[in-house]
Amino acid sequence: EAGVAQSPRYKIIEKRQSVAFWCNPISGHATLYWYQQILGQGPKLLIQFQNNGVVDDSQLPKDRFSAERLKGVDSTLKIQPAKLEDSAVYLCASSPRGGDYYEQYFGPGTRLTVT
Amino acid sequence: GENVEQHPSTLSVQEGDSAVIKCTYSDSASNYFPWYKQELGKGPQLIIDIRSNVGEKKDQRIAVTLNKTAKHFSLHITETQPEDSAVYFCAASTPDLMGSTLGRLYFGRGTQLTVWP
Repeated sequence: EAGVAQSPRYKIIEKRQSVAFWCNPISGHATLYWYQQILGQGPKLLIQFQNNGVVDDSQLPKDRFSAERLKGVDSTLKIQPAKLEDSAVYLCASSPRGGDYYEQYFGPGTRLTVT
Repeated sequence: GENVEQHPSTLSVQEGDSAVIKCTYSDSASNYFPWYKQELGKGPQLIIDIRSNVGEKKDQRIAVTLNKTAKHFSLHITETQPEDSAVYFCAASTPDLMGSTLGRLYFGRGTQLTVWP
């Protein structure tokens, strides 16, 4: 079974520029998550999708971050404009839908450096 | 929201010894507690999890215990090997406002485990 795919793996941009990350979840997983992991910390949830609807985006800085999941499969996360404090690893995870399916499976992440 | 504390932040053990990592949580409604292993340059990998209706779970050299009354849970690794060296994260999940099982995960800050040969 293929895992969660993410691209690019690394990105370096200057502050005030924009950047986009892409995620392809495990086939059949209805729930998709984007996390931000700052160096030395645990992942922090930014947004959660159930199919193509948003379940939880309470921690997403909506003035600069946006995310979409068209057709309930792939997802993109965008930052515009980027700030220095956005330097982090952006992780995508997916999970089967509902019931007892709590398990979240993570992709390798995209390391963003804002200079 | 939920607050997860994890200790220690670093842990060094000799190969073959045991390692224990402890976490506490604040929300008594939390009902799912996974542990993740993260190697350098990779995403977190689920290694074991426990649900609130179980006190202990074991998988080969790895075990997790849960004390709901005290709101703490622990990861135990026995017969450690150099390949166990990584950052370990505990997490807790709380059902969302609708009582859905798709509640978010709250992570601890991680423990850097080093196993010396």
